[in-house]
Parts: sequence; structure tokens; C-alpha cells
Amino acid sequence: DTAVSQTPKYLVTQMGNDKSIKCEQNLGHDTMYWYKQDSKKFLKIMFSYNNKELIINETVPNRFSPKSPDKAHLNLHINSLELGDSAVYFCASTAGKATGELFFGEGSRLTVL
Amino acid sequence: AQSVAQPEDQVNVAEGNPLTVKCTYSVSGNPYLFWYVQYPNRGLQFLLKYITGDNLVKGSYGFEAEFNKSQTSFHLKKPSALVSDSALYFCAVRPLRSGGSYIPTFGRGTSLIVHP
Repeated sequence: DTAVSQTPKYLVTQMGNDKSIKCEQNLGHDTMYWYKQDSKKFLKIMFSYNNKELIINETVPNRFSPKSPDKAHLNLHINSLELGDSAVYFCASTAGKATGELFFGEGSRLTVL
Repeated sequence: AQSVAQPEDQVNVAEGNPLTVKCTYSVSGNPYLFWYVQYPNRGLQFLLKYITGDNLVKGSYGFEAEFNKSQTSFHLKKPSALVSDSALYFCAVRPLRSGGSYIPTFGRGTSLIVHP
């Protein structure tokens, strides 16, 4: 069984469109994250979600919004896509303690044309 | 604010030789340190972590890391490199933030290339 699964794996779309990436974890974890990995492989935290507490990286444009229907899911919705949004987006989860390691999904490669 | 530095973008080593991937950190309070590996077109995978105790931590695939508090370093090591170890390696720190949230910060990554 896949611990953290993301869909879709690849997403190609036009500028100005709205898209969503879904993430589900079956590990029973309390905390989930979204990271953006740019073309230089740098990982940037976008959101952290723990027990309905959302922590947002202040540098993330408000076109990005996380949505969590329940503890096992944290979806990423992006409005008005821009060229610079092209990247690989990773979902991750952890047990919520500082000592816990992160479990990552396989990533969703977004290409904006 | 916490930060992690990986001073080398790329490390080259011959198969069978020992390897070291460097990491230094800056954080208030107790540092919880991690190493992850990323293979091409895959997500990051956990290798090992330092929480407390013995400064030498052993992890997956024969990797180990040494925590050095005085040098604020957590270098990743392996006695004998394999070609299959070629990948991107990330160091991460996970301290306690104000408000009780633990948001990991990652280094920029080091590409390890093991030559046959």
C-alpha cells in the first residue's frame, strides 16, 4: 500500500487556469505538508496543516490554497496559474512530533504553458 | 530562524571509496536533524535522524551520520560507495517553532555521483 499518494502525477495546463492536486496518507499521521521543488531542486515549504491548524508560508501567493476535508487528506488548489508555478509539488506527512520523519508522496509535476 | 547549509552542490566519488556529504545547521534549542535521499523522478525517502544520545547515527542502505554539536554539523557518511547511491541528498532540521509547530527546513541538496 502506498503511504502517501498524490494525484495527478503529471499536470499540463494553460496560464490562467485553475487546478487541484490531491494528497492522501494512510499512515494515521496528524500533520501534512505541501512543498514546492523548483528546477534547481530546492524544496520550499508552502503549507503545514495539523489538527485544523493551518500554517502558511507568507511568501506563498494567495492563489494557492490548501483544503483538508479530513485528517488523511490535504489537497492543493491553485487559481489563475502562472508560468512560474511550474514545478514539482510534494505532499508529505508526519506523526506530528518534532522527532518524526516525513513521508513523502511521489510528487506532482505541474507544467504551465 | 533555523537554517541548513549544504556547502557542496555535487560530490563525486569512486565506487568502493568512502563518501561524505556535508551539512551544517543553525537553530535555537535542540536540533532534530534528518537526512533524506531523492532518486530521479521520485519523492524524498528518509535515511536517518539524530534526536538525542549517541552522536553516530546509523540508517538505511549502510549510511551513517555524525552529529557534532560544537561544529553544528551533521555530515552523512558511508564507508564504501555504490553506483546505486547516486542520488540527491537533503539534510533537514526540525526544531520547535513558536506556537508549537514543527516545520522542517531543508538544505539545498547535494548531488552525489558515484563513478564505476
